[in-house]
Amino acid sequence: GAVVSQHPSRVICKSGTSVKIECRSLDFQATTMFWYRQFPKKSLMLMATSNEGSKATYEQGVEKDKFLINHASLTLSTLTVTSAHPEDSSFYICSALPGQGGETQYFGPGTRLLVL
Amino acid sequence: AQSVTQPDIHITVSEGASLELRCNYSYGATPYLFWYVQSPGQGLQLLLKYFSGDTLVQGIKGFEAEFKRSQSSFNLRKPSVHWSDAAEYFCAVGGNSGYSTLTFGKGTMLLVSP
Repeated sequence: GAVVSQHPSRVICKSGTSVKIECRSLDFQATTMFWYRQFPKKSLMLMATSNEGSKATYEQGVEKDKFLINHASLTLSTLTVTSAHPEDSSFYICSALPGQGGETQYFGPGTRLLVL
Repeated sequence: AQSVTQPDIHITVSEGASLELRCNYSYGATPYLFWYVQSPGQGLQLLLKYFSGDTLVQGIKGFEAEFKRSQSSFNLRKPSVHWSDAAEYFCAVGGNSGYSTLTFGKGTMLLVSP
């Protein structure tokens, strides 16, 4: 149980285009999902907290207009990188909290983004 | 503010030998503590967690961790390492409010030698 999927697993795009990454909880409902960014040989940096039916909460320094988050249902959150630039190339990982007020985050397999 | 320190960037252990990965945390109240493992290019898999109760917790793949409040530590152990255990290990701390964000350590890369 507690499986989280991400799609796509890897994507290459041209600079200036937008890319959407999906995060799905497959066997549970998640009121809250999180988006992280991981640089090579670095830890995970929390970008934002995604709450179903409301606006996402962004961490300090994360541009909300660049990283659009939509949590339209209890099993799906999307991260859209708008007007992508090479410096946005990274590994993006989502996680989900089962139910309401759950304590354990379950992570997706990640999405490797390369912007040319 | 909460923080997590993993003092070892990488550790090399012989296959079959025991393993201990260190984790120290800073948190103003009773923390929720986690260990995750990440294989190259993959997401994170939960190994074990501590919320309350018995301070020695058992996880998957033969791992265990001990919560020591006096030392603000939550070290991960395994009595006999297998080559498949080679991966990056992250310790994380969260709050006990029932909903909170996680703060991760910088990770420890485990290398297993034959």
